Amino acid sequence: NAGVTQTPKFQVLKTGQSMTLQCAQDMNHEYMSWYRQDPGMGLRLIHYSVGAGITDQGEVPNGYNVSRSTTEDFPLRLLSAAPSQTSVYFCASTRGLAGTAGELFFGEGSRLTVL
Amino acid sequence: GQQLNQSPQSMFIQEGEDVSMNCTSSSIFNTWLWYKQDPGEGPVLLIALYKAGELTSNGRLTAQFGITRKDSFLNISASIPSDVGIYFCAGPLGGGADGLTFGKGTHLIIQP
Repeated sequence: NAGVTQTPKFQVLKTGQSMTLQCAQDMNHEYMSWYRQDPGMGLRLIHYSVGAGITDQGEVPNGYNVSRSTTEDFPLRLLSAAPSQTSVYFCASTRGLAGTAGELFFGEGSRLTVL
Repeated sequence: GQQLNQSPQSMFIQEGEDVSMNCTSSSIFNTWLWYKQDPGEGPVLLIALYKAGELTSNGRLTAQFGITRKDSFLNISASIPSDVGIYFCAGPLGGGADGLTFGKGTHLIIQP
């Protein structure tokens, strides 16, 4: 099993550009989420989804959009990139019924730099 | 979201030493989780705690869910080089959001 796969691993954007970070999982997990990690900080929840067609905001949702058309995929869209969005982004999923219980499986991360 | 205070921020130890780190919250948690992150990778769950007072082991790792439900501890016995990494505590984010809040991490460095 591949687990949670994120693409791209590295990306450089100019301020104002848009892009999509891709996340796919092959474990048939209902719950998926996106976190960002900044230097010296813990991970912070951006958006999450408890199943196909259902998404909700996390702790730091501004500037990001998500959709969940299939169980497997949960893309994260930056509509107009800003330098404050320079970060490492992690996608995670869980077999549990909720994102607060059970084990979160994380992808390897996508490192984004906004100039 | 709820804030977790994790300490120490970093630890420089000799191989073979025991390690202790802790995490405190201003709010009561029903779940405490400990993750480890290796360089360039995503975090991996080490131990999950679901009951106040619970003591759980995973090999050389032992974690405890504090009686007050506002703290948790992680101990590593007889450290080895592969224990190097960043250790994060985590708990429910709260505020109606279904996800986790993380501490800032303890960076473990092992000197040969």
